[in-house]
Amino acid sequence: DGGITQSPKYLFRKEGQNVTLSCEQNLNHDAMYWYRQDPGQGLRLIYYSQIVNDFQKGDIAEGYSVSREKKESFPLTVTSAQKNPTAFYLCASSMTSGTEAFFGQGTRLTVV
Amino acid sequence: EDQVTQSPEALRLQEGESSSLNCSYTVSGLRGLFWYRQDPGKGPEFLFTLYSAGEEKEKERLKATLTKKESFLHITAPKPEDSATYLCAVRYGGSQGNLIFGKGTKLSVKP
Repeated sequence: DGGITQSPKYLFRKEGQNVTLSCEQNLNHDAMYWYRQDPGQGLRLIYYSQIVNDFQKGDIAEGYSVSREKKESFPLTVTSAQKNPTAFYLCASSMTSGTEAFFGQGTRLTVV
Repeated sequence: EDQVTQSPEALRLQEGESSSLNCSYTVSGLRGLFWYRQDPGKGPEFLFTLYSAGEEKEKERLKATLTKKESFLHITAPKPEDSATYLCAVRYGGSQGNLIFGKGTKLSVKP
């Protein structure tokens, strides 16, 4: 089945620790995105990548980092510098930057 | 100022009671308007893309329309399984290919 796989589904982190969220797609899409979703707010863009080995900051990139070494993979690291990391994180991909995006099932990160 | 505004925030319908959700946008140079459905604890599911004013798309009980300033998602004779949050997003000339989302409309359909 083609799609976007995010793992893990639930993640708990202690304050001060870095954590990496996985996102893999087998749709052969060029563009990939990371969004954050908080209650009562729309999805906010963290980082995006339109091609391998290239990525740009979104609206709320502070405290996050990404890499895009392979077309299929776009992992997100939540660093200890992120002040309020507890949220629902969504990864998406699209064929190009102009077409519809398809989403994974999300990772819920909780800082304990 | 929000670039994408969805209304109402929440909508309760009886099964079979048709209604519409609104998505208004203030961006210029629209390059696509997208509708998604999101169930609790899950990722958004793609529904429709609209590119130009006057365009319409249909899928089962859902019909999306687009004007120069807003889009409507019409729900005809809804069923309880249509209950979800419906998200609207736009791409425009200044968004560098990225989707800008509204906050969504939470739809509840009671039997």
